Amino acid sequence: GAVVSQHPSWVICKSGTSVKIECRSLDFQATTMFWYRQFPKQSLMLMATSNEGSKATYEQGVEKDKFLINHASLTLSTLTVTSAHPEDSSFYICSATTRFAEAFFGQGTRLTVV
Amino acid sequence: GESVGLHLPTLSVQEGDNSIINCAYSNSASDYFIWYKQESGKGPQFIIDIRSNMDKRQGQRVTVLLNKTVKHLSLQIAATQPGDSAVYFCAEGNDYKLSFGAGTTVTVRA
Repeated sequence: GAVVSQHPSWVICKSGTSVKIECRSLDFQATTMFWYRQFPKQSLMLMATSNEGSKATYEQGVEKDKFLINHASLTLSTLTVTSAHPEDSSFYICSATTRFAEAFFGQGTRLTVV
Repeated sequence: GESVGLHLPTLSVQEGDNSIINCAYSNSASDYFIWYKQESGKGPQFIIDIRSNMDKRQGQRVTVLLNKTVKHLSLQIAATQPGDSAVYFCAEGNDYKLSFGAGTTVTVRA
């Protein structure tokens, strides 16, 4: 299957700082990428849809000014958690969709805000 | 062993037995369904998918069944192995967007 790389795999940051997470499709071009958030023992919750060259579409209840998404190329989308707080600590996962509408996921980023 | 998803979020199965994981989906307009496996601390791993114009699809040791009449999806794992222990999610897709079910934790007993 297609490969999606997410970096970093884990990060610890101080409250009030910003953290950037990268999602790359390594062997295919992805016009659409998705960002999910997952709390322990819960399912994935879609945060936003990232479209190359246009603004991201955020799900209801997700603050777009707090979770900045940039999809500058067909192989890279970034999620920046701004002014992070402990309640933002979570597992963040991206996915990229192939032209056959198959979704492949990154390995996830464990964010801990202290 | 058999699970009914949200009502029985855990499934314990003897190694070598067949496993059945069930999932009810909500959107009758969904045209794409996927099963994912997630191990602790990792992202979801694609297992098998099926499109709405099919009712059965087989992979290596896995079979997905789709019943659109009752909006039900199941994953059958043949000869379950210890490496199959994980959380399994079904996802329904519509216009490239996926919605995930709650997940079923599968534990394989040696």
